[in-house]
Amino acid sequence: GAGVSQTPSNKVTEKGKYVELRCDPISGHTALYWYRQSLGQGPEFLIYFQGTGAADDSGLPNDRFFAVRPEGSVSTLKIQRTERGDSAVYLCASSLNSDTEAFFGQGTRLTVV
Amino acid sequence: AQSVTQLDSQVPVFEEAPVELRCNYSSSVSVYLFWYVQYPNQGLQLLLKYLSGSTLVKGINGFEAEFNKSQTSFHLRKPSVHISDTAEYFCAVSLNTDKLIFGTGTRLQVFP
Repeated sequence: GAGVSQTPSNKVTEKGKYVELRCDPISGHTALYWYRQSLGQGPEFLIYFQGTGAADDSGLPNDRFFAVRPEGSVSTLKIQRTERGDSAVYLCASSLNSDTEAFFGQGTRLTVV
Repeated sequence: AQSVTQLDSQVPVFEEAPVELRCNYSSSVSVYLFWYVQYPNQGLQLLLKYLSGSTLVKGINGFEAEFNKSQTSFHLRKPSVHISDTAEYFCAVSLNTDKLIFGTGTRLQVFP
């Protein structure tokens, strides 16, 4: 595609439910990143994939958060037992490799009620 | 660990006036520095970056930034702003050009 695509653009879920957020990177980009942006804050790093493997998952806040990228393209961020504090905009970015500019998607706004 | 401080949460300015958005960073090792812009309802877009070489970096839309190692700063400047520059601006650092550590952002509001 022309840019990084994230779906859904908005997601409202009830506390305790499971959610999946999807990221379609730019075709051919091997590096993929997930960030979380809470209201009034800058984006906060969650996880970085190089190909299919998670090169750095140090930003995942706890074991309720998990991300996969099984074929080295599309990635899914999975959140179990959602809490109200998980409400934020989840941003995905991709780059040709880790040394080049990262292009961001428009994000998924997650609201946990 | 690295951190970024953006000293101004909001900067109001009149159209055609100059503007400076301040960014200071903290790191015990050399870092790469970036400025991103986020327009309403859009994704983050790279304005400019400092990797090495000349400390004055020119970016898109007439913006420039100067890396000052002694003051650990990377302030963003534009000599004459337009209404269309109204947006949120984020300074970021990176050790290896992969994982970015962002500041809390500065809201630039340009008035006619």
